[in-house]
Amino acid sequence: TQLLEQSPQFLSIQEGENLTVYCNSSSVFSSLQWYRQEPGEGPVLLVTVVTGGEVKKLKRLTFQFGDARKDSSLHITAAQPGDTGLYLCAGAGSYSGGSNYKLTFGKGTLLTVNP
Amino acid sequence: DAGVTQSPTHLIKTRGQQVTLRCSPKSGHDTVSWYQQALGQGPQFIFQYYEEEERQRGNFPDRFSGHQFPNYSSELNVNALLLGDSALYLCASSARDRGRFANYGYTFGSGTRLTVV
Repeated sequence: TQLLEQSPQFLSIQEGENLTVYCNSSSVFSSLQWYRQEPGEGPVLLVTVVTGGEVKKLKRLTFQFGDARKDSSLHITAAQPGDTGLYLCAGAGSYSGGSNYKLTFGKGTLLTVNP
Repeated sequence: DAGVTQSPTHLIKTRGQQVTLRCSPKSGHDTVSWYQQALGQGPQFIFQYYEEEERQRGNFPDRFSGHQFPNYSSELNVNALLLGDSALYLCASSARDRGRFANYGYTFGSGTRLTVV
């Protein structure tokens, strides 16, 4: 069974602070996707990282895929109240053979940015 | 450009009843996946439909079944509802995968909140 563990589970910070959340697994994934989910809404895709060691930047958000393709991190610079939400990482595919179209999600990190 | 549309938004059912949830994919998408998200958990994969067939299934009992129509819309049916089926049911659509893995991001709907009493 593939599992993705996210840490921390909860994070409450002040506006302007920096933060990093982590997504770790014992399994190798073909890609990792990060989503943000707000209350009462579905997850919204932020980024997909495919290559081991890859770093992607999206404005104040920086995403990194581990060299071994088992882990990823999300760093937010100068957090704003609009960044509040549940951040989910999802692993796509596996190298156990065959095709695999499902996403395996972690439980998420609930981020609150206070003004 | 309409995204993924799900209906109904909320639903209350009694144990033992049956329920049907509906999903219209984003324009240009032909693949539909269903996920169950319990409170405080990440979404869990139920199954995926492509070309009107179930292409892959997660660890859910046969009480969960689905269908995809020629216009790519989809239904999720749950029979003999249990209290533990209470959750947010999410539909996600994507364009046809070019490879063996879901490396292209999915577009999710806002979900159907199912409460079983």
